This record gives sequence, structure tokens and C-alpha cells, in this order.
Amino acid sequence: EVQLVESGGGLVQPGGSLRLSCVASGFSFRDYWMHWVRQAPGKGLAWVSRIKTDGSSTTYADSVKGRFTVSRDNVKNTLYLQLTSLRAEDTAIYYCARWIPSTILGYDYWGQGTLVTVSS
Amino acid sequence: SYELTQPPSVSVSPGQTASITCSGDKLGDKYVCWYQQRPGQSPVLVIYQDSKRPSGIPERFSGSNSGNTATLTISGTQAMDEADYYCQAWDSSVVFGGGTKLTVL
Repeated sequence: EVQLVESGGGLVQPGGSLRLSCVASGFSFRDYWMHWVRQAPGKGLAWVSRIKTDGSSTTYADSVKGRFTVSRDNVKNTLYLQLTSLRAEDTAIYYCARWIPSTILGYDYWGQGTLVTVSS
Repeated sequence: SYELTQPPSVSVSPGQTASITCSGDKLGDKYVCWYQQRPGQSPVLVIYQDSKRPSGIPERFSGSNSGNTATLTISGTQAMDEADYYCQAWDSSVVFGGGTKLTVL
């Protein structure tokens, strides 16, 4: 059974940092592109970042470029998102999701999400 | 940047057909996915490649995409279908529609 389990969210002050983790199981993690998608309270889904299978390529939404860093450890089957210089507008549930590039061009599995709250 | 537009809300009576639209420039040239998100839950893929259903998704869910509009259709809508629905496409990056709240009343 495919599972994605996020952790690391919490309350952080503006300007602070946080590292989110997403532990994958039930599939060959190293064979899949992985993405982060966020959802602000009461709002819609917004793509944040993606990382290639081997970690050699990363892309970011303009709203987080230069502040967030995505990485992965294919031995630990874990995806990471380092959040720095956090702003109030970064408050959201952060989901990791498995990307299917060829047959779906979308996400077939999502984690349960981890809540990041940026507030003083 | 590419944009997808959805109506904020759609209402349907139980047993009737609900249609949720998603509009974007030449959207018919792209593949569209649809996700269902029930309150407090993670999104679930219900349609991919415009009209295909993943395993486990009821047959009452169907999709189409042509011109500038993709449509998610739910036939024989049930109370359990009440949720937010998001369309998504790929245009050098992942793009989501703003979401549509489906109310079954």
C-alpha cells in the first residue's frame, strides 16, 4: 500500500525556518518525481515545488523561490522541504504528492498534510 | 502564467447530474486531472487524462475536455459526493483551478 506521511509542521515566527519531511512507503520511491503542494486555510491548492527522481533537478513556484529548498534521500525514502524566511502568507497545510508524468500528468497519491502556521 | 477558472460553487439535488467546468486557454490541447477533496481530508484523484477513472473511482464520475473547457460530470450524485473539486493541468508547471464547492441538497 502506497503511503506518504508528512511531519515537521508547527507554529513559527515570521522570518523563521522549518523543515518538513515526507516519508514514503509501499512503492519504489527513487523512481518517482515528488512534489509539494500547499493549501492556505479555506483556500485552494497551490503547487510549491518538485524534485526529480535522483534529486538532480528542482523547480519552485515564484512565491517561494529563493526561500524554500526541496531535497530527497532515496535511501531513507524521504522527501524534504526546507522553509526559510517564512511569511504569514506561507501559512498552509503542506502536502507531498507522487507525480505520474506520462500516463496521468497529475498526482495519484497524496499525504495527509502537515500544517505550518507563521505568526508572532 | 497559465490560469484555470472554475465556478466557486455548484449545487445539485441527490440523484441528479452535476457538472463542474474548468476553463483555460486552449485547455483542450492539454490533459486535465480532477481531484475531490472532502472536508478535512487530502485530495483524491478522480479523473485523469481528461476522462479516465483511477481504480476504485465510481463510474458515475466522468470527464471531458474540448476547446477551452474541461468538464467533470457526476451522474446520480450522492450525498457523499459533496466536496471541493479541483481541476489541474500541466503547462510547463502544475496549475490548479481555484476549486468548486459541490453542494448536494
